[in-house]
Amino acid sequence: AQSVAQPEDQVNVAEGNPLTVKCTYSVSGNPYLFWYVQYPNRGLQFLLKYITGDNLVKGSYGFEAEFNKSQTSFHLKKPSALVSDSALYFCAVRPLGSSASKIIFGSGTRLSIRP
Amino acid sequence: KAGVTQTPRYLIKTRGQQVTLSCSPISGHRSVSWYQQTPGQGLQFLFEYFSETQRNKGNFPGRFSGRQFSNSRSEMNVSTLELGDSALYLCASSWDTALFNEQFFGPGTRLTVL
Repeated sequence: AQSVAQPEDQVNVAEGNPLTVKCTYSVSGNPYLFWYVQYPNRGLQFLLKYITGDNLVKGSYGFEAEFNKSQTSFHLKKPSALVSDSALYFCAVRPLGSSASKIIFGSGTRLSIRP
Repeated sequence: KAGVTQTPRYLIKTRGQQVTLSCSPISGHRSVSWYQQTPGQGLQFLFEYFSETQRNKGNFPGRFSGRQFSNSRSEMNVSTLELGDSALYLCASSWDTALFNEQFFGPGTRLTVL
């Protein structure tokens, strides 16, 4: 079965420190990969995506993500965390090969940045 | 450009009733997807519509249905509500059904079934 794993329910980081939110996937072939963020009482906001090319993808609000094909991972990173980064983060995968391919979301990781 | 709008934002219903939720996509977007978000199950895909046709469907019972209109606006309907249907229902739009397109989400409709 195809799946996306976010192994950490919560990540706690001090403001100014680097942060990493982990994501691994298990799908056939090479998928498209996405990160979304959800603030309280809001819908999801798109952060960045990997389609092809450079393994390091840069996105909104200073976030970036590194695609690692051999480890089937797509970890989200930021060099210096802000308190305003505190939110719920979702990794999503869309397998290739079919126009009817369904997007699969991870379970989410709550990021908490302490001042 | 206005974002994705969903109405109503909050709904309270009782078991056995039915409910209709509405979604207006970003202007020019022709693909609309629906998701159910719960603390226990996370984000689960319901269905995707494009050009008034259902393109994709998740693993939900037939009580969950949807449609899309010619102006790309979409509605989803849940009949014979159950307590377990209490959730945040999110609508998302994108330009088309290309797999690499990111989705733009609305704020959601929070449905409470009593």
